[in-house]
Amino acid sequence: DQQVKQNSPSLSVQEGRISILNCDYTNSMFDYFLWYKKYPAEGPTFLISISSIKDKNEDGRFTVFLNKSAKHLSLHIVPSQPGDSAVYFCAASARIKAAGNKLTFGGGTRVLVKP
Amino acid sequence: KAGVTQTPRYLIKTRGQQVTLSCSPISGHRSVSWYQQTPGQGLQFLFEYFSETQRNKGNFPGRFSGRQFSNSRSEMNVSTLELGDSALYLCASSFSPTGGYGYTFGSGTRLTVV
Repeated sequence: DQQVKQNSPSLSVQEGRISILNCDYTNSMFDYFLWYKKYPAEGPTFLISISSIKDKNEDGRFTVFLNKSAKHLSLHIVPSQPGDSAVYFCAASARIKAAGNKLTFGGGTRVLVKP
Repeated sequence: KAGVTQTPRYLIKTRGQQVTLSCSPISGHRSVSWYQQTPGQGLQFLFEYFSETQRNKGNFPGRFSGRQFSNSRSEMNVSTLELGDSALYLCASSFSPTGGYGYTFGSGTRLTVV
């Protein structure tokens, strides 16, 4: 039962253009969402997060949008740069105290930014 | 400020052996979680410790175990290694007791079982 899904395994975009990464979830208990960037043989690096009480959060070139009714979130990277080439993971958490710290990850989307 | 430190970085073991991986969290972080990353299964949650207590456990066999010490350092152990245990094992620490806030990952331990 895959509770968090990233349906696009890969994405290719031209430098300077927008990258849009999508993520769907099924568990309605999820109320905090995160995006991570990962290079091979390294740990994921936190990019941006959003709480379910918001529908948008921006941090520099990164913007995350949340559509709770559709159980869908997206990450926009504008403008895309060659250094953004990596695998991006969407993750979700249920902020119920008893549940502790547990992230459920999507399968990842490999982004290639072409110069 | 030091990050999450995992040792060793690389490990090669033989089937049937056991292995212990170590994780030192960021100073002040009391929550430590472990994840397994494989090409086929992605990033999967193993378990989480907070103040030396295991609070969550993922869907892994009993061969996978862990513990946390009073200084918040954590170890995970895999006994009777199988070829399928070859993976990148990631540790993450958090200052928050819940919700995944401030989750910071280490660089991982690459385990190869031959």
